[in-house]
Amino acid sequence: SAVISQKPSRDICQRGTSLTIQCQVDSQVTMMFWYRQQPGQSLTLIATANQGSEATYESGFVIDKFPISRPNLTFSTLTVSNMSPEDSSIYLCSVGSGYEQYFGPGTRLTVT
Amino acid sequence: AQSVTQLDSHVSVSEGTPVLLRCNYSSSYSPSLFWYVQHPNKGLQLLLKYTSAATLVKGINGFEAEFKKSETSFHLTKPSAHMSDAAEYFCVVSDRGTGGSYIPTFGRGTSLIVHP
Repeated sequence: SAVISQKPSRDICQRGTSLTIQCQVDSQVTMMFWYRQQPGQSLTLIATANQGSEATYESGFVIDKFPISRPNLTFSTLTVSNMSPEDSSIYLCSVGSGYEQYFGPGTRLTVT
Repeated sequence: AQSVTQLDSHVSVSEGTPVLLRCNYSSSYSPSLFWYVQHPNKGLQLLLKYTSAATLVKGINGFEAEFKKSETSFHLTKPSAHMSDAAEYFCVVSDRGTGGSYIPTFGRGTSLIVHP
């Protein structure tokens, strides 16, 4: 199993600013996933991050808006840039291999 | 490409009656399938998973699901609902992407409402 922690757990930010969310895993993993859950919605995959390579973004998400770092096998960051109220969501980090999938507790972001 | 369809956005039951949450999937290969529950303002919790072993999978809190390849379904059931089961339930399919890695795709979710 894998235990995932995220920082911050929640934040309230002003539009136009940026927030960096940290994801820490208690074991080394190859792939890390970043999801967004908008209010009352399901989870949507933002990007997949492998250590040592550029993240792969899903349709509708771009690196300029959601830059991701993956400096080692236990850590990743997601930045939400130039925020607008539409970015208010829960952002979740996840790791898995297909047979197992684990999720962090999420970061609840409110943009005012 | 893979996809998952949760056929009901809301399911309403009375306490003590059976629960059925429906999920159909589309996958190019042999997928792994999961059910997660999310209580209000809580994180995701894994209920159960299917990974090509027994087709009837038992999970936590009395839930179970049956993988039916011919129907491409993975419906979640429970014989008797409790008030504490009221939550959002997500069906997830995980299959090999073009890069060979497993990438999970979430259904839109089903809100289970339990009446006393």
